[in-house]
Order: sequence, then C-alpha cells, then structure tokens
Amino acid sequence: GENVEQHPSTLSVQEGDSAVIKCTYSDSASNYFPWYKQELGKGPQLIIDIRSNVGEKKDQRIAVTLNKTAKHFSLHITETQPEDSAVYFCAATLRGGGGNKLTFGTGTQLKVEL
Amino acid sequence: GAVVSQHPSWVICKSGTSVKIECRSLDFQATTMFWYRQFPKQSLMLMATSNEGSKATYEQGVEKDKFLINHASLTLSTLTVTSAHPEDSSFYICSAGTQGALNTEAFFGQGTRLTVV
Repeated sequence: GENVEQHPSTLSVQEGDSAVIKCTYSDSASNYFPWYKQELGKGPQLIIDIRSNVGEKKDQRIAVTLNKTAKHFSLHITETQPEDSAVYFCAATLRGGGGNKLTFGTGTQLKVEL
Repeated sequence: GAVVSQHPSWVICKSGTSVKIECRSLDFQATTMFWYRQFPKQSLMLMATSNEGSKATYEQGVEKDKFLINHASLTLSTLTVTSAHPEDSSFYICSAGTQGALNTEAFFGQGTRLTVV
C-alpha cells in the first residue's frame, strides 16, 4: 500500500518568512495529493491540492509542487502570519476524489513567531 | 465547500459503556464515509471505510465488533465504540466523499474528542 513520509515534524519561522514542508510517497499510481491544515481540537481543512497531471499550483500565499519522477511534493507558504500556525498534513491517494481513502503523512507542526 | 457535521464534539463516558458518534453530510450525498482515529501529536489513522448500504471495510488491526459502523443513508454514518475502555480515548474524525467523482475533495468533520474514564 501507499506510504507517505513528511518532513520536518516541527518548523518554526519568523513572521513574514517562507515555510516549506516536504512529502514523499511510495506508490507511483497515486495521482491526487491534498494538503490539510489542522488547528488544535478541530478536523483537517483542505488548503490546496494537486493532481498528477500538474506540476505546480498556487493559491495566494500557498503553493504546492509535485515531482512525479521523484515521487515527492512540497507545500510552500510565503509571507507567513501567526494564524498560519497549525499542524499541516500531506496526503496521497489513487484515482483522487472524495470517495477514495487517503494516506496521510505524519504531520508538521508549524509555528510562526512574531 | 461542502459541510460535514460531526456530533458530539466531545464526550466523556464511563469504562464499559458504549458511545455513538454521528457524521452527517449536510449539503451533498456521500456514498463513502471514512472514520479516522487520531492520538495526540500523531497523524490520522484510517479505521474503516463506510459505503452506503453495505458493510464497512475495516483496516487491519481495527476490531469490527468494537467499532461498529453504520451507513444507512447517503447523509449519515455512525461509529459506535462498544464497551469503551480508557485506551479508546482519542480524537475521532470522519470524512465524506463521493465514490467515483474524480474532481471532488474529501470533506472532514470537526472531530469528536472521546474520553473514557
């Protein structure tokens, strides 16, 4: 089955700096890669996703890149703000879509310091 | 985006009792719902996949007789933790989606904090 590794486990940045979180996956058939933000005591919230036919996707301060050959994808947050502090999870799945189970990474605790 | 409502948001129960958690898709029909368990500072671990009108598929190591899942309609799935013990204390999260719809995301509930005393 799919295995997703995520690094780093914790990340501290100064407000305004950029943050990068990296994930690798094992199943070359996976074709949908979402990123979730989870605040304490809440469920995960989708912040951006990318499909295997796209190499990069951007939404305001958030971007995701995908390297299918190397089987890794990354989340980039620019101009970080204190409200970006949360746990971020990457995930991968085959065939994409809400009806297919996700394999999650181990999570990254992002702390944006003033 | 679509809304998935999970209830209760937290529950405290005595050891040996059963607890039911509900997951509702409020504005779409969810053919598939997933139940996850999350321990502190850990990732989400899939427990089971629930398809409307059929038996749930459990992940390896998850006791189907302890974690009863019912998906009787396209908008409601329930997880019942039977004979709960302190080690079942965790954060339980559901997600809902539509099987076969390639361009839809999975929508998550807000989670249920279960504490067994």
